[in-house]
Amino acid sequence: QVQLVQSGAEVKKPGASVKVSCKASGYTFTNYGISWVRQAPGQGLEWMGWISAYNGNTNYAQKLQGRVTMTTDTSTSTVYMELRSLRSDDTAVYYCARNYFEIRRPSGDAFDYWGQGTLVTVSS
Amino acid sequence: SYVLTQPPSVSVAPGKTARITCGGDNVGSKYVHWYQQKPGQAPVLVIYYDSDRPSGIPERFSGSKSGNTATLTISRVEAGDEADYYCQMWDSSSDHPGVLGTGTRVTVL
Repeated sequence: QVQLVQSGAEVKKPGASVKVSCKASGYTFTNYGISWVRQAPGQGLEWMGWISAYNGNTNYAQKLQGRVTMTTDTSTSTVYMELRSLRSDDTAVYYCARNYFEIRRPSGDAFDYWGQGTLVTVSS
Repeated sequence: SYVLTQPPSVSVAPGKTARITCGGDNVGSKYVHWYQQKPGQAPVLVIYYDSDRPSGIPERFSGSKSGNTATLTISRVEAGDEADYYCQMWDSSSDHPGVLGTGTRVTVL
């Protein structure tokens, strides 16, 4: 069965960096991209970016450009999301999610499997 | 980037029908997906490609679209349907392909 297992909770000081991992299993890793979505306390879902597990191509949300980097390790079927220069408003639960798509219905990716979430707390 | 607007809250009595809307300029030309999120849990896909239902999702959940508004309908609402619901679109040609709606809290009275 498809599973996305994320790394554990982190506490960081303002200005620091955090790197969250998302290990995939139960499917051919390179066949699907992965998106990262975050949720601040009591707030809605925010799409952060996407990475192709096939070739490493990325697309980041404009507001995070320059602070976020997504990478893959195909040898371990793991995707990483690093966020730098952390601020208090980066405190959130961070989710990875698999991009599901159908060739006959292009440009319509859904997020069919999600990781359990990783709480990142930014506090001095 | 797109904005997908949802009503902040919907209240419904058990056994009745809840309808959650998702509006935006490009809804009519893109596929819309819907997620259910219960407190402390990751979102779950409940409708994809406007009206398809993943395996394991009850038939009480259905999706439709008219013009630039998509609608998630929950029939015969149960207490367990109380959750936050989000719509989502994807546009590969955009510099911000992933878009999530503002979210709707469904309260079962």
